[in-house]
Amino acid sequence: DAGVTQSPTHLIKTRGQQVTLRCSPKSGHDTVSWYQQALGQGPQFIFQYYEEEERQRGNFPDRFSGHQFPNYSSELNVNALLLGDSALYLCASRAGEEFYNEQFFGPGTRLTVL
Amino acid sequence: AQSVAQPEDQVNVAEGNPLTVKCTYSVSGNPYLFWYVQYPNRGLQFLLKYITGDNLVKGSYGFEAEFNKSQTSFHLKKPSALVSDSALYFCAVRDSMWENRDDKIIFGKGTRLHILP
Repeated sequence: DAGVTQSPTHLIKTRGQQVTLRCSPKSGHDTVSWYQQALGQGPQFIFQYYEEEERQRGNFPDRFSGHQFPNYSSELNVNALLLGDSALYLCASRAGEEFYNEQFFGPGTRLTVL
Repeated sequence: AQSVAQPEDQVNVAEGNPLTVKCTYSVSGNPYLFWYVQYPNRGLQFLLKYITGDNLVKGSYGFEAEFNKSQTSFHLKKPSALVSDSALYFCAVRDSMWENRDDKIIFGKGTRLHILP
């Protein structure tokens, strides 16, 4: 049983560009959340998707947007990239909306903005 | 505002000795607390959680954590450290006052654990 998978593993972009990161949840999971982990920091919650809708959002600007597909996979889009967007982007999935169901994290996508 | 503090950036422990990684929190309601571990080039792995009940929580890989409400702490412990325990450890909290479907949890900055052979 594959866990949470993310692609690509690494990505290099320049300021002002746009990027799309992808996530496939663990089998049987229908809720996907995205986190940003800056160097030396803990992960910060970006948003959560359930039933193809954004259900919760952290303190991130509208440049960060997402999508969830009928097969529960998800994309994170970041427009007008800034140097400060350089980070490890983590996707997490779980079964159902209830927070006490364990989240499983993917290995992350390392985004570098030059 | 909800917050988590991990006061130590790094903890060094000799193999075979007990280890403690400290965590304190601040929430408005009751806390739900979590510990995760992160190995290089890997995502976060869940270790254990406290939702309610017994203050001593047992988790994966022989780790345990003790919830102390009066001290607002949730320290991670292991009786005998292994070299393979060397990793980055994150404490996290969510507030019971948030809706159950609220996936947001607040992570600490992490503590790097070095187990010395």
